Amino acid sequence: DTEVTQTPKHLVMGMTNKKSLKCEQHMGHRAMYWYKQKAKKPPELMFVYSYEKLSINESVPSRFSPECPNSSLLNLHLHALQPEDSALYLCASSQVYGLEKLFFGSGTQLSVL
Amino acid sequence: GQQVMQIPQYQHVQEGEDFTTYCNSSTTLSNIQWYKQRPGGHPVFLIQLVKSGEVKKQKRLTFQFGEAKKNSSLHITATQTTDVGTYFCAGHSGNTPLVFGKGTRLSVIA
Repeated sequence: DTEVTQTPKHLVMGMTNKKSLKCEQHMGHRAMYWYKQKAKKPPELMFVYSYEKLSINESVPSRFSPECPNSSLLNLHLHALQPEDSALYLCASSQVYGLEKLFFGSGTQLSVL
Repeated sequence: GQQVMQIPQYQHVQEGEDFTTYCNSSTTLSNIQWYKQRPGGHPVFLIQLVKSGEVKKQKRLTFQFGEAKKNSSLHITATQTTDVGTYFCAGHSGNTPLVFGKGTRLSVIA
């Protein structure tokens, strides 16, 4: 199984809503990532978890809250988002954090109204 | 901080023509990776180059890593409509997170 599975595929939420994005991988990878991608732009790193510990937070606003319940799962909790947060949210994993290649999930297309 | 520049931003080619995208880093890279993202899709890893001057081929795709490990290129010979998408280079410098170039969007006219 070489897949990273993300749910939901699409999400529409209001600015007062709370929602969560989920990501799962069963490749035994010990590094997991959240990226944000706006249309026609490259992926932009948000968070890195290494061995289930948050190791990088790229100055992401606190309305985004990551969680890594175990080595296979990664969540991104969303609260009080702004319309400018609308984007494709990509989860990725790699064997370990470092010089490894990334396996991306198919993403969650988020619209904030 | 580390920057990775990629050109061109867009390239439109006739099917059968060749295509090249170039990547340039402001710092020496530990490695460089290439990803392809189809329209409506997600980035998919193509290849990783590690050694100075390294050249790798995958069918019609040729990847090069510069001698100084600061630049790289991807060349596609005889493009096909299946090559359509955005090609991103991404590099590691030291222990920093992977930095993506802005990507080159390739469209192929049949």
